[in-house]
Amino acid sequence: DAGVTQSPTHLIKTRGQQVTLRCSPISGHKSVSWYQQVLGQGPQFIFQYYEKEERGRGNFPDRFSARQFPNYSSELNVNALLLGDSALYLCASSSPGRLYEQYFGPGTRLTVT
Amino acid sequence: AQRVTQPEKLLSVFKGAPVELKCNYSYSGSPELFWYVQYSRQRLQLLLRHISRESIKGFTADLNKGETSFHLKKPFAQEEDSAMYYCALSGGGSNYKLTFGKGTLLTVNP
Repeated sequence: DAGVTQSPTHLIKTRGQQVTLRCSPISGHKSVSWYQQVLGQGPQFIFQYYEKEERGRGNFPDRFSARQFPNYSSELNVNALLLGDSALYLCASSSPGRLYEQYFGPGTRLTVT
Repeated sequence: AQRVTQPEKLLSVFKGAPVELKCNYSYSGSPELFWYVQYSRQRLQLLLRHISRESIKGFTADLNKGETSFHLKKPFAQEEDSAMYYCALSGGGSNYKLTFGKGTLLTVNP
């Protein structure tokens, strides 16, 4: 298993644009979480999905949205991008019986200019 | 509200010396505590979880509820331990989100 995969690896967008980030969990994992990591900080929780339902949402504006598909992959959408949205976006998956143990992907580096 | 504090941004030790990475937390209930590690050019990975009480790669961490701490310790540091270490907390219940500290960069010198 390749582990959690994320695409794209890097992305450059302009202020005001919209972006979609993608995540494929480990096979058998049904929960996906998204985190934002700004340089010099630890990851900050954005969303968690389990069995295609939103289970938790962090302190982020409504410009951030996500969804989980029947195959348990997930997308994170960010509208009206701001310079402050520049960060590494991490996706993590976990298995049904061990939801606390989150396995992270390599991340998508988003740069907003 | 849940909060994790890692007071040291950088920690440098010599090979063979003991190492302790500090973590303090704030949470009103009974949290789950974790240590995650990120080696150079690798993804973030779970090192250990307090409830399992394991020793992974020689590291141990004890949850001290009185001091609200979860310090990571290793008696004899190795050069391959050099990495960024994050302490994380989960509040449990139906929300398994992780709250991370800012991380400590450990450098083990030869």
